[in-house]
Amino acid sequence: AQTVTQSQPEMSVQEAETVTLSCTYDTSESDYYLFWYKQPPSRQMILVIRQEAYKQQNATENRFSVNFQKAAKSFSLKISDSQLGDAAMYFCAYRSAYFGNEKLTFGTGTRLTIIP
Amino acid sequence: NAGVTQTPKFRVLKTGQSMTLLCAQDMNHEYMYWYRQDPGMGLRLIHYSVGEGTTAKGEVPDGYNVSRLKKQNFLLGLESAAPSQTSVYFCASIEDRVYNEQFFGPGTRLTVL
Repeated sequence: AQTVTQSQPEMSVQEAETVTLSCTYDTSESDYYLFWYKQPPSRQMILVIRQEAYKQQNATENRFSVNFQKAAKSFSLKISDSQLGDAAMYFCAYRSAYFGNEKLTFGTGTRLTIIP
Repeated sequence: NAGVTQTPKFRVLKTGQSMTLLCAQDMNHEYMYWYRQDPGMGLRLIHYSVGEGTTAKGEVPDGYNVSRLKKQNFLLGLESAAPSQTSVYFCASIEDRVYNEQFFGPGTRLTVL
């Protein structure tokens, strides 16, 4: 079974600064997808960024980028120019690409606080 | 499009009572999921469905049943609620295995006394 570990329960960053959230995962599969989800106080789960394991290039979405290290099974999220609206819980998630294993496994989350 | 909707948004039950949570999506998605979210534990998969008429167990299926009689609906049932089932429940759906962004509902907060 796959596992996802987020070792930072809480992080804080000064507004306009850069912060990196860590995620590691364990799998024996070679083809999979990785995700970062944001959950603000409204509870709505919002997809931040997605990475396909077969792609070597790191995904980027505006101020959000990932550092995907397949051999190390590491998938960190970097938020640049942090804004007050970035304050939320962030969840890392893993999904197999193989037929018959279509489920998401989530980490326990990192609560990000933005300091004005 | 309404996306993924969940009914109800809040519910309080007494131990031993039963209830059904309804998840509906209007995006014609094949795959649907039920998760529970507890403090410090992230989201855990209860049951999921890869198409109309199919269901499968997830990580924490005990005490829950599901049905997918129509493609757009995925029902989660609690036959005899227990305090350990106090949680926030999320439904999600994806179009297919290739376009795999999960769309989440707004969640249902369930309290079992």
